[in-house]
Amino acid sequence: QKEVEQDPGPLSVPEGAIVSLNCTYSNSAFQYFMWYRQYSRKGPELLMYTYSSGNKEDGRFTAQVDKSSKYISLFIRDSQPSDSATYLCAMTPATGGFKTIFGAGTRLFVKA
Amino acid sequence: DAGITQSPRHKVTETGTPVTLRCHQTENHRYMYWYRQDPGHGLRLIHYSYGVKDTDKGEVSDGYSVSRSKTEDFLLTLESATSSQTSVYFCAIRAGQDNSPLHFGNGTRLTVT
Repeated sequence: QKEVEQDPGPLSVPEGAIVSLNCTYSNSAFQYFMWYRQYSRKGPELLMYTYSSGNKEDGRFTAQVDKSSKYISLFIRDSQPSDSATYLCAMTPATGGFKTIFGAGTRLFVKA
Repeated sequence: DAGITQSPRHKVTETGTPVTLRCHQTENHRYMYWYRQDPGHGLRLIHYSYGVKDTDKGEVSDGYSVSRSKTEDFLLTLESATSSQTSVYFCAIRAGQDNSPLHFGNGTRLTVT
């Protein structure tokens, strides 16, 4: 079983929809949680970075961490065609930054 | 833009040939990483560096070596390329403390025929 599980999709939604992307994990040592956006033939770009449990909002994006359930989410409000990309979750334990583990990514398509 | 440049961006090579990929950063970050990205596997760590001449193995290091003789450059070498090493390779830096997030370059697409 992988340490981090992420539904690969693809997920297709109409423009303006609210998108929910999720990851589950098995290692309770993870303390730092990240979401990256990756466009085709580009490197992953950091979207959100959170520590421990709770919510963090940045514009149309909200990251949510539920450590008790070992579940993290990224919500995109008012989705746009430009949001079409692959979204990767990632997480790091409290010690050992080299131990960042990535999900396999979810492909999102936002239709105009 | 995290000031990371990877070269080459694309390469096709034959099985058994040596290949070196270069990662160059402009901001003197201590930590540098090499990942490979494959469908269904996500990003997997090959090797990382925590300073000049200080490197260590990651999850999928077999068949790869690295060198870091200057802060700004981190080289990944495939001593004898195999078809299983066909992948997209990403270099990353960690801009702050040990748990700060990674920032990635735009990758090198390597095909081994």
